[in-house]
Amino acid sequence: DAGVTQSPTHLIKTRGQQVTLRCSPKSGHDTVSWYQQALGQGPQFIFQYYEEEERQRGNFPDRFSGHQFPNYSSELNVNALLLGDSALYLCASSFRQALYEQYFGPGTRLTVT
Amino acid sequence: AQKVTQAQTEISVVEKEDVTLDCVYETRDTTYYLFWYKQPPSGELVFLIRRNSFDEQNEISGRYSWNFQKSTSSFNFTITASQVVDSAVYFCALSEGYNDMRFGAGTRLTVKP
Repeated sequence: DAGVTQSPTHLIKTRGQQVTLRCSPKSGHDTVSWYQQALGQGPQFIFQYYEEEERQRGNFPDRFSGHQFPNYSSELNVNALLLGDSALYLCASSFRQALYEQYFGPGTRLTVT
Repeated sequence: AQKVTQAQTEISVVEKEDVTLDCVYETRDTTYYLFWYKQPPSGELVFLIRRNSFDEQNEISGRYSWNFQKSTSSFNFTITASQVVDSAVYFCALSEGYNDMRFGAGTRLTVKP
């Protein structure tokens, strides 16, 4: 049973560029949530996708956007990258938006130079 | 609003010592879930335990034990006879079910041989 997978593992971008991160949920899950973990901090909730719509959103600017596909996989897009966007981006999946039972992926480490 | 506080930023112990990681939370909901995660240097969040607000029973799993006290809004984690492999960052988290999961800032545990 495949768990949550994320790609790429690492990514280096330049300020002002745009980036797309990808996540495939655990088999049987239909909800994907994204978290940003800056160095030395706990993960912070970005948003959640369910039934191909953004259902909840944390305190992140509109530069952060996402998408969920019919197969439940998801993308996180960040536009106009800032140095402060450098972080580990974690994807978590669950069933029917149940955040109390979610499984995390290994993360994508984004470095903005 | 929900909030999780892990007052201990870093803890260093010698192997075989017992160590307790503190977690204090705030929530207005009567139904909520508390979690502990371990994050080794690889970055992936490893789920350790989930406890719902209606179950105050303490739990023991091998060398790990958890003490949940609603009266003090605390959910502390104890490692007995610590080992070098326990070295990691540990996060306490709170979820009000279908709302975003809120993480503490984490406690970095170093176990020295």
